[in-house]
Amino acid sequence: ELKVEQNPLFLSMQEGKNYTIYCNYSTTSDRLYWYRQDPGKSLESLFVLLSNGAVKQEGRLMASLDTKARLSTLHITAAVHDLSATYFCAVDMEYGNKLVFGAGTILRVKS
Amino acid sequence: DGGITQSPKYLFRKEGQNVTLSCEQNLNHDAMYWYRQDPGQGLRLIYYSQIVNDFQKGDIAEGYSVSREKKESFPLTVTSAQKNPTAFYLCASSTPGQGIGELFFGEGSRLTVL
Repeated sequence: ELKVEQNPLFLSMQEGKNYTIYCNYSTTSDRLYWYRQDPGKSLESLFVLLSNGAVKQEGRLMASLDTKARLSTLHITAAVHDLSATYFCAVDMEYGNKLVFGAGTILRVKS
Repeated sequence: DGGITQSPKYLFRKEGQNVTLSCEQNLNHDAMYWYRQDPGQGLRLIYYSQIVNDFQKGDIAEGYSVSREKKESFPLTVTSAQKNPTAFYLCASSTPGQGIGELFFGEGSRLTVL
């Protein structure tokens, strides 16, 4: 059974600081997705990582995938208040035709 | 504009009643999914369908039913057998190629049992 673990589950950080969210998964997969959810809202796709070594960047967020280590990271550079949200990683269960989600990381950026 | 439409956005149900949540997409996606989200938790898969007239149980299918009579529509019925139905329900679709592909989500339906 595929398990997806995110850490930390809660992150409070000051504006302007850098931090990394980690996503570990338990079985072979080379497809990983990052989503953002604002309170009471649906999920918005951030990054699609489809191969080992994939790196994607959008603004202050950068995501990477290491399939050998079964690890993805979401790096936040110089955080701003607008990044406050819950971030989920999801892994495509190989040949399973379904995504398994992590529990989510609640990010709060303080001024 | 293409997208996924869920309705109703908010729904209140008395215990013992069945309710149906609607999900319609005009993205021409083959696959559709229903997820449940409880406060402070991740998403759990209820049912999914990869083609019309076919669907599979997800991890928490008990107390739920679905149908897929049209490519565009994937309604979810929360039955009285679901013991704790209060949750946020999200419908999604994708075009599986190699693997599941990126999921696109609707705005969600929040169900509260009174």
